[in-house]
Amino acid sequence: QVHLMQSEAEVKEPGASVKVSCEASGYTFTSYGITWVRQAPGQGLEWVGWVDPNNGDKHYAQKFQGRLTMTTDTFAVTASLELTSLTSDDTAMYYCAILTKPPAELYDSWGQGTLVTVSS
Amino acid sequence: EIVLTQSPATLSLSPGQRATLFCRANESVSTYLAWYQQKAGQAPRLLMYDASTRVPGTPARFAGRGSGTDFSLSISSLEPEDFAVYYCQQRSKWPLAFGGGTKVEIK
Repeated sequence: QVHLMQSEAEVKEPGASVKVSCEASGYTFTSYGITWVRQAPGQGLEWVGWVDPNNGDKHYAQKFQGRLTMTTDTFAVTASLELTSLTSDDTAMYYCAILTKPPAELYDSWGQGTLVTVSS
Repeated sequence: EIVLTQSPATLSLSPGQRATLFCRANESVSTYLAWYQQKAGQAPRLLMYDASTRVPGTPARFAGRGSGTDFSLSISSLEPEDFAVYYCQQRSKWPLAFGGGTKVEIK
């Protein structure tokens, strides 16, 4: 059974950095890209970026360029998102997910979410 | 980058009524558009991809249409479990993006 296990909630001060991890199980980690999506409280979905564990290819939303880094560790079967220079606007639930489409075997698998709170 | 605009922001309807949601892109995404449903406290769920293809398990009352820049998602007869927020997502060009969402609420 596919499982994306995310790290625990974080509380950070403005200006700090946060790293959220996503450990995969139940499938071959290098077979699917990992998408990161965030959702601020009461707001809509925001596509953050995508990373390919097979070759390290990555694409980021333009608004995060310069302060976002996505990585994968094929040995630890873990994807990570690091966001620097945090502001209160970064307060959100961060999800890792596999978002493709049939006939791919996995096309809609989500982690449980990691709540990141930025507050002084 | 491609921007998706969804309308209306909120749709207030009764069970049994028909719902039509719209998604417009600022440039063509061909048919590389997906629709998600999200219920309170849950992760989103993929309903539709390639504009009009239902994911296995999506009821037939859901229908997606459109290509290029204009898309719609129709629910022919609303069931109680359909009241939720719906998002479109373009998968045509990096960076990908979601629309702002349409909330379908009980009138």
